[in-house]
Amino acid sequence: GNSVTQMEGPVTLSEEAFLTINCTYTATGYPSLFWYVQYPGEGLQLLLKATKADDKGSNKGFEATYRKETTSFHLEKGSVQVSDSAVYFCALSIVGNAGNMLTFGGGTRLMVKP
Amino acid sequence: GAGVSQSPSNKVTEKGKDVELRCDPISGHTALYWYRQSLGQGLEFLIYFQGNSAPDKSGLPSDRFSAERTGGSVSTLTIQRTQQEDSAVYLCASSLLAGVSGEQFFGPGTRLTVL
Repeated sequence: GNSVTQMEGPVTLSEEAFLTINCTYTATGYPSLFWYVQYPGEGLQLLLKATKADDKGSNKGFEATYRKETTSFHLEKGSVQVSDSAVYFCALSIVGNAGNMLTFGGGTRLMVKP
Repeated sequence: GAGVSQSPSNKVTEKGKDVELRCDPISGHTALYWYRQSLGQGLEFLIYFQGNSAPDKSGLPSDRFSAERTGGSVSTLTIQRTQQEDSAVYLCASSLLAGVSGEQFFGPGTRLTVL
């Protein structure tokens, strides 16, 4: 079956620190990969995505590269801000598998301190 | 424009009662998904609708769960004879098309508490 594993949190960083949240996946097929973010009191929002190997998704200073050889999609940001405090979910989907249903990792809570 | 809306935002019920949760997808979105977010299980897929086609129910945890989508738009998730383990946030998402790697837009969720 399909699964996503991401590092457990919480991750606590000081403002302007470098962020990495690890994500690896197992898939029977060729998945698209996503990072979703859930800010406090808000719904899930798509942060970035990549649909094929070696693609890099990027948004709001966050980046993640689809690495087929290591089945990974690690999220990085060079300099975090307090406003980045949220829960981050790595996810995959495979076309034709219940439409585009998302399989999520367990989520990683990020706390950024001033 | 309007996003995905869900109602109610919070629902508290007693064990054994039936509940109905509503989702209004973004207008024009043909694909609709229900997910559940709980402490023990994380985020898990429940059911998928594509237009007026028969739904994919492969994620429903038991036969107490059912869902329908009327006119290819609004969807209702029904949980019969609720149990305490049904307590969770129920999320609805819609996307413009299925079968492509498109973005799913999520609603704010319904927080269900079963006493």
